[in-house]
Amino acid sequence: NAGVTQTPKFRILKIGQSMTLQCTQDMNHNYMYWYRQDPGMGLKLIYYSVGAGITDKGEVPNGYNVSRSTTEDFPLRLELAAPSQTSVYFCASSGTAGDTIYFGEGSWLTVV
Amino acid sequence: AQSVAQPEDQVNVAEGNPLTVKCTYSVSGNPYLFWYVQYPNRGLQFLLKYITGDNLVKGSYGFEAEFNKSQTSFHLKKPSALVSDSALYFCAVRPSGGQNFVFGPGTRLSVLP
Repeated sequence: NAGVTQTPKFRILKIGQSMTLQCTQDMNHNYMYWYRQDPGMGLKLIYYSVGAGITDKGEVPNGYNVSRSTTEDFPLRLELAAPSQTSVYFCASSGTAGDTIYFGEGSWLTVV
Repeated sequence: AQSVAQPEDQVNVAEGNPLTVKCTYSVSGNPYLFWYVQYPNRGLQFLLKYITGDNLVKGSYGFEAEFNKSQTSFHLKKPSALVSDSALYFCAVRPSGGQNFVFGPGTRLSVLP
């Protein structure tokens, strides 16, 4: 059972570089989310999507972009990486209201 | 606005003793409530949820939680703690009909041998 798969697991970026975190789910879930977790902190919602072609900002969207061209995929793009974007990023998905949210294993990103 | 509070940053308990991790919430309408656990360098894993029905919900690894509507609480409990229960625990709420989950800040549980 694959569930939610994120790549890469680890990445070091230089300031000003760009990259895309990939996320795919095989549960046919409509809802997908990107969270970041800073050391010792809780989760902050970056962007979410309620279905293919529909995305919306979460709590901390600045410096990020997303797209949702298919139900399965929800990539997160970092433009012009900054040290403040050093964090652990989690992709997640859920079905209809009341359904559990399932998380990927996380992507550790360091910006130097 | 929806919010979730976990009033304790850290809970310490001796192995074999009962444990409680507290959660209170503020949400309009009827909430869906969840508990997740996070082990070091891993993603969050689902423990249990309350949608409707019996206020006492049983979940994975012997955990249970009690929904108290009047106190807007959803405390996580386990009758006998194990050292392997040591982890970071997150409470989350999803308003009925809502699109997003709101997570609490997390409580670090340490079970001492």
